[in-house]
Amino acid sequence: KQEVTQIPAALSVPEGENLVLNCSFTDSAIYNLQWFRQDPGKGLTSLLLIQSSQREQTSGRLNASLDKSSGRSTLYIAASQPGDSATYLCAVVTGNQFYFGTGTSLTVIP
Amino acid sequence: EAGVTQSPTHLIKTRGQQATLRCSPISGHTSVYWYQQALGLGLQFLLWYDEGEERNRGNFPPRFSGRQFPNYSSELNVNALELEDSALYLCASSNQGSSYNEQFFGPGTRLTVL
Repeated sequence: KQEVTQIPAALSVPEGENLVLNCSFTDSAIYNLQWFRQDPGKGLTSLLLIQSSQREQTSGRLNASLDKSSGRSTLYIAASQPGDSATYLCAVVTGNQFYFGTGTSLTVIP
Repeated sequence: EAGVTQSPTHLIKTRGQQATLRCSPISGHTSVYWYQQALGLGLQFLLWYDEGEERNRGNFPPRFSGRQFPNYSSELNVNALELEDSALYLCASSNQGSSYNEQFFGPGTRLTVL
């Protein structure tokens, strides 16, 4: 069974800092990997989707990479802002099943 | 373009009752996915519907069921509610029913079981 782990569980950084969030998965046979953000008590907002054949995707200050062979993905956030404070979740699709990590709670301090 | 919508926003039930949650996908999307997010736990995949058919279900008991209507909207039914069913229930949609496609989420329904 696929297991998705996100480390660290919580992260606090000063505004302006660049940061990296990590996601690891145990089964490398994935169709895609998607990064989301979730604000407290709200639904998920899709940030980036990486297909299994891709190595990275970029959107604005966000860059996500995928290394299937090692079972890892990273989400890089450049020049962090207080508005980036949220929980960040990664999810993988394996065999028509969807598996989510438990998230990294990010706080950006002004 | 309207996003995924869910109703109701909040739902309070007592143990043993039934709950019905509703989801309308983004226009043009044929797939609907349901997830449960219990407090302190990650999202757990519940059900996937595409073109009116159940494509896959997660590791949940049969009292969790649903359906998808011809207009691609969907209902999640939870029978014989238990206290541990209290959670945020999220619905997502994607087009073409492919695992390759990006999922877009609704705001969720907060179910509280007393």
